[in-house]
Amino acid sequence: EVQLVESGGGLVQPGRSLRLSCAASGFTFDDYAMHWVRQAPGKGLEWVSGISWNSGSIGYADSVKGRFTISRDNAKNSLYLQMNSLRAEDTALYYCAKDGVSGGSPPYYFDYWGQGTLVTVSS
Amino acid sequence: EIVLTQSPGTLSLSPGERATLSCRASQSVSSSYLAWYQQKPGQAPRLLIYGASSRATGIPDRFSGSGSGTDFTLTISRLEPEDFAVYYCQQYGSSSTFGGGTKVEIK
Repeated sequence: EVQLVESGGGLVQPGRSLRLSCAASGFTFDDYAMHWVRQAPGKGLEWVSGISWNSGSIGYADSVKGRFTISRDNAKNSLYLQMNSLRAEDTALYYCAKDGVSGGSPPYYFDYWGQGTLVTVSS
Repeated sequence: EIVLTQSPGTLSLSPGERATLSCRASQSVSSSYLAWYQQKPGQAPRLLIYGASSRATGIPDRFSGSGSGTDFTLTISRLEPEDFAVYYCQQYGSSSTFGGGTKVEIK
């Protein structure tokens, strides 16, 4: 059974940093690209960032480019999101999501999602 | 960036009725790289349809997707009580963007 478990969320002041983690199990982690998708309270979904299976291809939404950094550790079956210079508008539930296509050039669709970790940016 | 516009914003229907949800793209979505998701309150999104018309694993056949280019449709042939939720479309032909969602509520 595929499981994605996010952690690292919390309350942080504007301008500060936070690092999110996602622990993956139940599939061959280094076969798939992985992504972060966020959802502000009461709002829709926004793709934040994605990383290919070998970290060779990385993409970001314009809203986070230059502030957020995605990375992965295939030996630990883990995905990360380093978030710097946080803003109030970054407040959201952050989901880790598995790409639906093995290999290839992501992003594709997202076939498994974690339950999310909440990031609140406020003074 | 490809902008996806979903309509209507809210659809009020009764169990057993047919639901038709629209997703329109600001430019053509290459290779029909369009997916649909269902999200219930307090839950993560669930993949329903990918490639515009392929059902994901375990999705009942009352869900179907169609369309190409800039116009896509999700149809639920007969609404079951568990189908009342918010539905999002996503394009992945050029980076990835989501539509604003359509809420299907009980009339």
